[in-house]
Amino acid sequence: AQKITQTQPGMFVQEKEAVTLDCTYDTSDPSYGLFWYKQPSSGEMIFLIYQGSYDQQNATEGRYSLNFQKARKSANLVISASQLGDSAMYFCAMTPLHGSSNTGKLIFGQGTTLQVKP
Amino acid sequence: DADVTQTPRNRITKTGKRIMLECSQTKGHDRMYWYRQDPGLGLRLIYYSFDVKDINKGEISDGYSVSRQAQAKFSLSLESAIPNQTALYFCATSDLTSGAYNEQFFGPGTRLTVL
Repeated sequence: AQKITQTQPGMFVQEKEAVTLDCTYDTSDPSYGLFWYKQPSSGEMIFLIYQGSYDQQNATEGRYSLNFQKARKSANLVISASQLGDSAMYFCAMTPLHGSSNTGKLIFGQGTTLQVKP
Repeated sequence: DADVTQTPRNRITKTGKRIMLECSQTKGHDRMYWYRQDPGLGLRLIYYSFDVKDINKGEISDGYSVSRQAQAKFSLSLESAIPNQTALYFCATSDLTSGAYNEQFFGPGTRLTVL
C-alpha cells in the first residue's frame, strides 16, 4: 500500500529563517513522483515542487527545495528565507508512475501547518 | 478565467438531501479527479475518470456517485447527504501527454456542510 506521512502537525518559523517540513513515504512501486502543495487559508491548492524517483538531483524552485533521500524514503521540503506569506498548510503527495498503477491519482499526507512569525 | 472551476463554492444542505457538485475545465485534460479534504486527514480520492466512458472508484467512494458528461465536465453527487460528508471538496485534472509526472491542477474547492 502507498502511504505518505507528515509527522509535524504544526510548525513555527521566524521570518527570514529557513524551515524544513518533513515527509516520509511508503511504496512498492519502482517509479513514482513526489509533490508538495501549499494551501493558504483561502483554501486553494498551489503546486510548489516536484521530484521524480529517478531524478538524480534534488528539485529546486525559487525558495523551495526538496531534500530527496530515496533510501530513507523521505522527501522533505525546505523553504529558505521564510516570508509572512508562507504561512499556510503544506501537503506532501505521491503519485505512482509504473504500469497499471499510473492512474495519475495523488496520495496525500495529513499536512503540516506552518506559521511564520514576524 | 480559471482553468478548473467548481460550482457551487459553498453549500449548506440538510441530511437526506441530494446534492451535486460540478467541475468544469478548459485545460483539455483527459483525466479528472474528485477529492475530499478533512482536517487531519489530508485529501482523499473519491472517484477519477480517464474519459467519458472510464470511471473508477477511489479509496472513499461509498455514498458518492459521479458523472462525466463530457471531456470538460465531471460532476460529483451525494444521493442522500449525511453530516460526515461535511468537507472541502476538490476537483482536479491531469494529462499524461502534457507532462511526465502527473501534475494535477486543482479547482478552488467547494465547501459543503451537511446539517
